[in-house]
Amino acid sequence: ETGVTQTPRHLVMGMTNKKSLKCEQHLGHNAMYWYKQSAKKPLELMFVYNFKEQTENNSVPSRFSPECPNSSHLFLHLHTLQPEDSALYLCASSQEGLAANTGELFFGEGSRLTVL
Amino acid sequence: AQRVTQPEKLLSVFKGAPVELKCNYSYSGSPELFWYVQYSRQRLQLLLRHISRESIKGFTADLNKGETSFHLKKPFAQEEDSAMYYCALSDPSSASKIIFGSGTRLSIRP
Repeated sequence: ETGVTQTPRHLVMGMTNKKSLKCEQHLGHNAMYWYKQSAKKPLELMFVYNFKEQTENNSVPSRFSPECPNSSHLFLHLHTLQPEDSALYLCASSQEGLAANTGELFFGEGSRLTVL
Repeated sequence: AQRVTQPEKLLSVFKGAPVELKCNYSYSGSPELFWYVQYSRQRLQLLLRHISRESIKGFTADLNKGETSFHLKKPFAQEEDSAMYYCALSDPSSASKIIFGSGTRLSIRP
């Protein structure tokens, strides 16, 4: 499989559940991202990992916990979420370390999360 | 603070008519600007970037630093242009942080 793959595509969970979203990229990139896309807000950057190190945490509540075991995999662990956390969570990857900033993110299809 | 503003949530034009999707940004330095597009049932993808000075699918975008704008234009709209368009910026010193606008849905009427 090529590109950026996200699983599951759809997830419904209660506020007391613990679940995880998974992202895998087959592009040889070394930077990975989580974005949140909800209907009433712009695409929000949540976390950035460069070479497995977290370089950006955009004031995300601790009920969202990212994990990047290697440059190809990124997880978002979810615990005690709120209904307002229901959204489409997008994973993306890019090739960093270039002299010029290409700005090209490669996105997955997203995981649609519904919190009841 | 960095911010990208797309004032129009929806833009509807007839096929063959010119299209202009507005984007304004707020940034203290010299950012890099991009346009991303999401067609129906497809993933979000890069359309064009300011630094490349390119025209993609007939679309161009000019950076106006005086007006802090980066509007996307196409002289003659086609039905396949119907999609969601996002303007984005990044700090050249921090390539990892790319900020998106709220998006404009472009609908081309036949």
